Amino acid sequence: GESVGLHLPTLSVQEGDNSIINCAYSNSASDYFIWYKQESGKGPQFIIDIRSNMDKRQGQRVTVLLNKTVKHLSLQIAATQPGDSAVYFCAEKASSYKLIFGSGTRLLVRP
Amino acid sequence: EAGVVQSPRYKIIEKKQPVAFWCNPISGHNTLYWYRQNLGQGPELLIRYENEEAVDDSQLPKDRFSAERLKGVDSTLKIQPAELGDSAVYLCASSFRQGLGEKLFFGSGTQLSVL
Repeated sequence: GESVGLHLPTLSVQEGDNSIINCAYSNSASDYFIWYKQESGKGPQFIIDIRSNMDKRQGQRVTVLLNKTVKHLSLQIAATQPGDSAVYFCAEKASSYKLIFGSGTRLLVRP
Repeated sequence: EAGVVQSPRYKIIEKKQPVAFWCNPISGHNTLYWYRQNLGQGPELLIRYENEEAVDDSQLPKDRFSAERLKGVDSTLKIQPAELGDSAVYLCASSFRQGLGEKLFFGSGTQLSVL
């Protein structure tokens, strides 16, 4: 399958370490945010979402933090595993339905 | 439960030829999207359907792209004629609203190469 991105920012982490992927969003009116994971040759897969009335939300091994003051979103992955290797996209949505994706970060997990 | 199904998986055509992509959304999802993803970038919306109605096609290049969603289930996206710059992955997604949020479920996409 096609490699999703050859020139994406890359984060390389050791297996077992925690990963932090950052995203700056553009629209201060955005009220809903999603993180997607995209493996090579596949479509984006939903990981976790957060609404603008929250600062933090936790899932299984993942945490999303939202800082509306600086329009910043982060995804934290605990105990990173080889299966976490992928491209990660943040996406934002304002009151309209249109979901706008960021440019993505490639996560590489070293064994 | 089956996910979003797209076909074909890959398509290679010469420029100026027509091409069509097919999408079967998740059962019960009334909203369907077509996105285009260029290499190294995030998906960009082409068109959004609510049932059989196209509610946002502002990003669809209408001179050569067309889409339909007859009966509000399956959808096809067509390009005629294709240009070199149309080479990309074409993703279909479907969703149902959950309060203020809306989770989109994506298919694996059709990778188009225009030669």
